[in-house]
Amino acid sequence: KNQVEQSPQSLIILEGKNCTLQCNYTVSPFSNLRWYKQDTGRGPVSLTIMTFSENTKSNGRYTATLDADTKQSSLHITASQLSDSASYICVVSASFKTIFGAGTRLFVKA
Amino acid sequence: SAVISQKPSRDICQRGTSLTIQCQVDSQVTMMFWYRQQPGQSLTLIATANQGSEATYESGFVIDKFPISRPNLTFSTLTVSNMSPEDSSIYLCSVVGSTSGEGDEQFFGPGTRLTVL
Repeated sequence: KNQVEQSPQSLIILEGKNCTLQCNYTVSPFSNLRWYKQDTGRGPVSLTIMTFSENTKSNGRYTATLDADTKQSSLHITASQLSDSASYICVVSASFKTIFGAGTRLFVKA
Repeated sequence: SAVISQKPSRDICQRGTSLTIQCQVDSQVTMMFWYRQQPGQSLTLIATANQGSEATYESGFVIDKFPISRPNLTFSTLTVSNMSPEDSSIYLCSVVGSTSGEGDEQFFGPGTRLTVL
């Protein structure tokens, strides 16, 4: 069964700290993996997209990694800011299917 | 990238009524997608809207409840019919576009937050 599981479900960190969000998937055949940021009440916005051959992709303070062998991805946020408070959604695409993770809700506190 | 706008951004509706949500894209796209995101949940695909043909609905969603129009390559509407409180969700329009050097990427509209009383 095609699944995308994210952990933790929610996370609270202090402003300026780093954090790492996890995504495990069983989607096959794998096409690409994307991380989205979704602010409350808004649509998801793409952070990174990675194909099978890529294992790291950065976008500013966001760095995503992909291990296609273990079917795991992580999103690392460096020097967090209050504006990073949002849901982070891992999305994995197969040939004709896109599977959304449930998201990690991140709260950054001053 | 694709810029997507949705109308209305939010609405509060009475049980038994219907609401039509509009989605406008700034470029021509073959397929447009409608998603539902219930409170605290991830996105669930409702249907794929194809220009010139009937929409393709996912399991658990039917045309009578969620009729879709796709009159041209930049516009689509989703109607939530005979609403009940269980329909309270964010409804999102989405398209797939090509990003230089990175293949296809999925873009989302800002969403329509629907509350049914």
